[in-house]
Amino acid sequence: DAGVIQSPRHEVTEMGQEVTLRCKPISGHDYLFWYRQTMMRGLELLIYFNNNVPIDDSGMPEDRFSAKMPNASFSTLKIQPSEPRDSAVYFCASSLKLAFLAGELFFGEGSRLTVL
Amino acid sequence: GQSLEQPSEVTAVEGAIVQINCTYQTSGFYGLSWYQQHDGGAPTFLSYNGLDGLEETGRFSSFLSRSDSYGYLLLQELQMKDSASYFCAVNTDKLIFGTGTRLQVFP
Repeated sequence: DAGVIQSPRHEVTEMGQEVTLRCKPISGHDYLFWYRQTMMRGLELLIYFNNNVPIDDSGMPEDRFSAKMPNASFSTLKIQPSEPRDSAVYFCASSLKLAFLAGELFFGEGSRLTVL
Repeated sequence: GQSLEQPSEVTAVEGAIVQINCTYQTSGFYGLSWYQQHDGGAPTFLSYNGLDGLEETGRFSSFLSRSDSYGYLLLQELQMKDSASYFCAVNTDKLIFGTGTRLQVFP
């Protein structure tokens, strides 16, 4: 079975450019999460969706960040404009409700973003 | 808010036993999860404790004490491949991760 698929795996861009990260969750999973990982701040939850609806976006750093889930098989995280401090690995994860309640998320391989 | 504390680094030798502790402060606590992450890889789920006590999964065990807001991950018969970062995570209405413990296993 295919796991969570993220693209691109690596992105290098210049400050001020728009960045779009993409995620395809595991088929049938009804929860989708976006996390950001840095050495300084660890794994931070940015936003999560249930049945395509954003439930909690309190972790989104600022208005430059936005996330959408237009359907059950696709989500995007957009940064516009990007800044060097946004450099991090961005993980998407998905889960079924029962698995989520048991603390189990399935992570993608991540998108490593470098903003110059 | 939530806070989790775990040691930043632990070292051990092959075949040994190591315990990684996690203390937490949170509201609306449902349980404690543990994840493993190898360098350059994705976090992968190891175990979950929703109730007090010990959960065993092969060489790995996890423990929770709700009254002490404390848990630990116990790794037995350490292997070189166990060298990785280990994260505890509190399950409230979302999963909040600790800062991780880097385990280095030496031959």
